[in-house]
Amino acid sequence: QSALTQPASVSGSPGQSITISCTGTSSDLGSYNLVSWYQHHPDKAPKLLIYEVTKRPSGLSDRFSGSKSGNTASLTISGLQAEDEADYYCCSYAGSSSLVFGGGTKLTVL
Amino acid sequence: QLQLQESGPGLVRPSETLSLTCAVSGVSVTSYTHHWDWIRQPPGTGLEWIGSIYYSGSTYYNPSLQSRVTMSVDTSKNDFSLNLSSVTAADTAVYYCARRVAGDWYFGLWGRGTLVTVSS
Repeated sequence: QSALTQPASVSGSPGQSITISCTGTSSDLGSYNLVSWYQHHPDKAPKLLIYEVTKRPSGLSDRFSGSKSGNTASLTISGLQAEDEADYYCCSYAGSSSLVFGGGTKLTVL
Repeated sequence: QLQLQESGPGLVRPSETLSLTCAVSGVSVTSYTHHWDWIRQPPGTGLEWIGSIYYSGSTYYNPSLQSRVTMSVDTSKNDFSLNLSSVTAADTAVYYCARRVAGDWYFGLWGRGTLVTVSS
């Protein structure tokens, strides 16, 4: 069970859009539409952004959206804001009642 | 309101057993509608799923940790626990407890996390 692959860092200016990729295999991410995304600010609990590839929790801004193609899922943040600067993690069901996370991506808002 | 709070020693010696507890408020740990998970984040690295315990007592562990992990539920205290044996410095991490709704594969609620350092 290997970690999903995410870029170490991405950056964007306020108002722009960015996309974070998350690549797995046909045994995990590619086989299930059970990808979730989390935002993690330092010293805080991670926050659920997206679940089941495209769904947003109630009350979450529609600036956050998710998608998936093959073995790669993506998180897009539009209209970047300073408070979006954080670490972002993807997570996928990996079969046999197990889960696997990505290595995390640090988003810098320039 | 449903809340989770981790607790346990902040320092554990190498080769010993790391023991953490997650206090649950707002719902019974034996509720068939919830599953309870542990996740950790070593310094400078990403999140790692450790395992889950279901209301039935069934447990599921990360294959890479399975030989050293035990999870349990204490219904009298309404909490659940993590034991990780034979720890090394590589087990130094912030440990989070989290909740999944039964049948779901994402974490809608997390504790704030607790740092455990393995050092002599």
